[in-house]
Amino acid sequence: NAGVTQTPKFRVLKTGQSMTLLCAQDMNHEYMYWYRQDPGMGLRLIHYSVGEGTTAKGEVPDGYNVSRLKKQNFLLGLESAAPSQTSVYFCASSTLREQYFGPGTRLTVT
Amino acid sequence: AQSVTQLGSHVSVSEGALVLLRCNYSSSVPPYLFWYVQYPNQGLQLLLKYTTGATLVKGINGFEAEFKKSETSFHLTKPSAHMSDAAEYFCAVSSNSGGSNYKLTFGKGTLLTVNP
Repeated sequence: NAGVTQTPKFRVLKTGQSMTLLCAQDMNHEYMYWYRQDPGMGLRLIHYSVGEGTTAKGEVPDGYNVSRLKKQNFLLGLESAAPSQTSVYFCASSTLREQYFGPGTRLTVT
Repeated sequence: AQSVTQLGSHVSVSEGALVLLRCNYSSSVPPYLFWYVQYPNQGLQLLLKYTTGATLVKGINGFEAEFKKSETSFHLTKPSAHMSDAAEYFCAVSSNSGGSNYKLTFGKGTLLTVNP
């Protein structure tokens, strides 16, 4: 089992560019999440999904969109990147409570 | 709404000394509580969790935590620190009821430094 994987591991974008982060899990989990981690802020929930075809807003959803077309994949999109979106992004999946995290994507927006 | 407060953004201990990382929570319903550890440039790994039952919970790498309802606390301890314990530690809470019991609320984290 690979667990939770994230693609890419690193990315540098210019302001206004777009990109998609891919999260994949092989544990057949219903729930999936996208977080961002910033120094001194802990992890903040961006969007989450309670099942295939569903998505919902978390704590800091502005500037991001998500899709869950397949149960095992959860995509995070940035339509027009801004420097404030420079962060480390983590994906997680869970059955009901215990969340399993991916290794993260370090995104820099210049 | 739930919240988590971790007292001390940075804790420094000597190798072999007691590790104590503090976590207080607020929740309107009985909580489920978690401690996660993050090593440099890695994702978060579950250390231990409290759901129901025994209030003293043992986790991996010799860590344990005690759920104290009266104090709304879930402090993490380890009797003897090892250099390999240097990492950032996050306390998290989820609801024990209702439709949001799959979401976690995280504290801001405590960076543990272990000095030789």
